[in-house]
Amino acid sequence: GENVEQHPSTLSVQEGDSAVIKCTYSDSASNYFPWYKQELGKRPQLIIDIRSNVGEKKDQRIAVTLNKTAKHFSLHITETQPEDSAVYFCAAFNTGFQKLVFGTGTRLLVSP
Amino acid sequence: DVKVTQSSRYLVKRTGEKVFLECVQDMDHENMFWYRQDPGLGLRLIYFSYDVKMKEKGDIPEGYSVSREKKERFSLILESASTNQTSMYLCASSPRTGGLNEKLFFGSGTQLSVL
Repeated sequence: GENVEQHPSTLSVQEGDSAVIKCTYSDSASNYFPWYKQELGKRPQLIIDIRSNVGEKKDQRIAVTLNKTAKHFSLHITETQPEDSAVYFCAAFNTGFQKLVFGTGTRLLVSP
Repeated sequence: DVKVTQSSRYLVKRTGEKVFLECVQDMDHENMFWYRQDPGLGLRLIYFSYDVKMKEKGDIPEGYSVSREKKERFSLILESASTNQTSMYLCASSPRTGGLNEKLFFGSGTQLSVL
């Protein structure tokens, strides 16, 4: 089955810096890669996603890149703000098993 | 606005008790899911359902069962609760769009403690 690894597990940055979270997946058949943000005590929410036919996608300060050959994808947050502090989960959708497989999460802390 | 409602935010149960976790969604979504969230382990899929009365095992189904008698409701059942089932349980739903299960909408979660 699919296996998704996510790094780092924790990330501390200063406000205004950039943050990068990386994920790798094992099954080349996976074709949809969402990112979820979970603020403390709240539910995970989808913030951006990318399909396997696209190499990069941007939405204001966040972007996701996908390298199908290397089977890894990354979340990039620019000009970080304290409200970006949260746990971020990557995931890969496995078409064979018809389910999302999540990474273990990255706790991002943005200090003012 | 999309809404997935879990019946309890916090729940404390005794070892051996039968536990029901309820989830209701109001978006007419076909797909519903139960995950458990543990520190350092991320979100792990317990069971999911693509339709009424249909269920599929996820990655960690042992010790759990589910029920989906109506489209909007998906219940997770712990037949005999054990301490290793202490966890945050998250329900989610998604529309069946183009055959892909995408854009999960999560409930607020139920923090279950088994003593």
